[in-house]
Amino acid sequence: DTEVTQTPKHLVMGMTNKKSLKCEQHMGHRAMYWYKQKAKKPPELMFVYSYEKLSINESVPSRFSPECPNSSLLNLHLHALQPEDSALYLCASSQAGGAFNEQFFGPGTRLTVL
Amino acid sequence: AQRVTQPEKLLSVFKGAPVELKCNYSYSGSPELFWYVQYSRQRLQLLLRHISRESIKGFTADLNKGETSFHLKKPFAQEEDSAMYYCALPDQGGKLIFGQGTELSVKP
Repeated sequence: DTEVTQTPKHLVMGMTNKKSLKCEQHMGHRAMYWYKQKAKKPPELMFVYSYEKLSINESVPSRFSPECPNSSLLNLHLHALQPEDSALYLCASSQAGGAFNEQFFGPGTRLTVL
Repeated sequence: AQRVTQPEKLLSVFKGAPVELKCNYSYSGSPELFWYVQYSRQRLQLLLRHISRESIKGFTADLNKGETSFHLKKPFAQEEDSAMYYCALPDQGGKLIFGQGTELSVKP
């Protein structure tokens, strides 16, 4: 399996809801990433996990909470989001060693916050 | 600080015309540079990278250290090349720095 999968594809939530995004890869990659992307803009890095440990947090608000239960899974827990958080959320993975390795992206979860 | 600049937000060409998407970077040392492509409704994917020196889908990019550029070129554009293109540079802190992107539109 050479793909990164993400569920759900679409998510609509209210500002008081709690939801989670899920990402999975079975390529043996040990680095996993969460990005936020607005239309026709580059992805903005949110979090990096390396060997299941959080290595980079780009000063993301605490209403976003990442979790890496094992080397294949990455979650992003959402709580009390704002309408401006509406975006495409991308997960990516790469071989350990950071950004010098090719990152493989998932198709994204399109999030709408009402 | 490391930085990637893509000066053109939108580039529109006719099918069969040559295309060049510009990318300039600032980096101290020997950079590793990537071009990522995002077709409509598809995932972001690597198109090519400096170190591999491959030609993918007819695209090439040459690193010019003197001009600090990594422009993406294709001699004859096809309609299926229409997409968002991002030039990217890994920084030493483990992050991938993306340019702002260039939307390529190839008209029939």
